[in-house]
Amino acid sequence: DAGVTQSPTHLIKTRGQQVTLRCSPKSGHDTVSWYQQALGQGPQFIFQYYEEEERQRGNFPDRFSGHQFPNYSSELNVNALLLGDSALYLCASSLSGTSGGKTLRETQYFGPGTRLLVL
Amino acid sequence: GIQVEQSPPDLILQEGANSTLRCNFSDSVNNLQWFHQNPWGQLINLFYIPSGTKQNGRLSATTVATERYSLLYISSSQTTDSGVYFCAVTPFTGGGNKLTFGTGTQLKVEL
Repeated sequence: DAGVTQSPTHLIKTRGQQVTLRCSPKSGHDTVSWYQQALGQGPQFIFQYYEEEERQRGNFPDRFSGHQFPNYSSELNVNALLLGDSALYLCASSLSGTSGGKTLRETQYFGPGTRLLVL
Repeated sequence: GIQVEQSPPDLILQEGANSTLRCNFSDSVNNLQWFHQNPWGQLINLFYIPSGTKQNGRLSATTVATERYSLLYISSSQTTDSGVYFCAVTPFTGGGNKLTFGTGTQLKVEL
């Protein structure tokens, strides 16, 4: 059973460029969340995708956008890169749904991350 | 939004020692997870524990939801336990399913 996978593992870009990061969720999961982790800090929530739509968004500018495909995989796109976008980008997958009328808040599993360096 | 504080921020142990890491949160939660981040950046799930007590080998965790804190116990520490330990929560209301992380505890286990 494959866990969460991300590609690429490392990436170097220059200011102003655009980047696309990819994530495949754990088998059986339908929800993908993206987090940004700057050096020395905890991960910060960017957004979450479920049923191919953005369900929730953190405090990140519109330069950060995403997409979820019918097979539940997801992409994170960042436009007009800034030096401050240099970070570890983590993808997490989980299973959404309801049980007994209550929304499930399931365990999130993280991928190995993509290290982005903006020069 | 919900605030998550972890203590201590840094911890150095001799191999074989025991330790307790603490996570305080400012609001009721319905999801609390403990993670270990290894030196390569991988976040490894340790516990899903919004309430109660769980044990897994040398690790155990307790969450007292009514008092808004969780504890992670590491017994007989090994050098492979080194890394950063994060607590992350989802508030009971208004948080959707996003995790809010604490600032972490940096643990170093020495021989």
